[in-house]
Amino acid sequence: GAGVSQSPSNKVTEKGKDVELRCDPISGHTALYWYRQSLGQGLEFLIYFQGNSAPDKSGLPSDRFSAERTGGSVSTLTIQRTQQEDSAVYLCASSLVSGTRDGYTFGSGTRLTVV
Amino acid sequence: SQQGEEDPQALSIQEGENATMNCSYKTSINNLQWYRQNSGRGLVHLILIRSNEREKHSGRLRVTLDTSKKSSSLLITASRAADTASYFCATGSSGNTPLVFGKGTRLSVIA
Repeated sequence: GAGVSQSPSNKVTEKGKDVELRCDPISGHTALYWYRQSLGQGLEFLIYFQGNSAPDKSGLPSDRFSAERTGGSVSTLTIQRTQQEDSAVYLCASSLVSGTRDGYTFGSGTRLTVV
Repeated sequence: SQQGEEDPQALSIQEGENATMNCSYKTSINNLQWYRQNSGRGLVHLILIRSNEREKHSGRLRVTLDTSKKSSSLLITASRAADTASYFCATGSSGNTPLVFGKGTRLSVIA
């Protein structure tokens, strides 16, 4: 596609429920990244997929968070048993080249609110 | 953890003035990138400067990098109301690690 697409754009969920956030990267981009941004804060790295290599999960805050990338394309970030502190904007990005040698293209994000 | 720190946290200027934002970082880098974010949603890549470069231009944007001081600056000349946004620096280290973002500078350009 022309850009990185994320869905849903907004999600309100009750504490304790599971949520799935979807990211559709730019076709042909080998690397895909998930970040989250709390209100007025910077971006916190969560997880990074690069080609067929094992993902870098070093930023996941707890074992309630997991992500997968199927067929080297679409990625799903799953948060189980959501907590209020999970409320944030979840941003997905992709890049043509893995790592930091290239600029990232970001989606518009999913604003998650846990009530 | 956040590598880059932008300064100031917030900046308010009149349309037509220049805006300068600074970024300091702690460890050695491969490159440094600047992004803009409108309304707390997706970021837009503005410019990438490599560690062996000292200055780079793109339209009204000028970026400098001083690796000896571990700092970078972003200059927006002749600012417009549409430049109102948050600006983030992001540092890239070894080839296969993700970018690390700072907390950003909120720029307000008053018409």
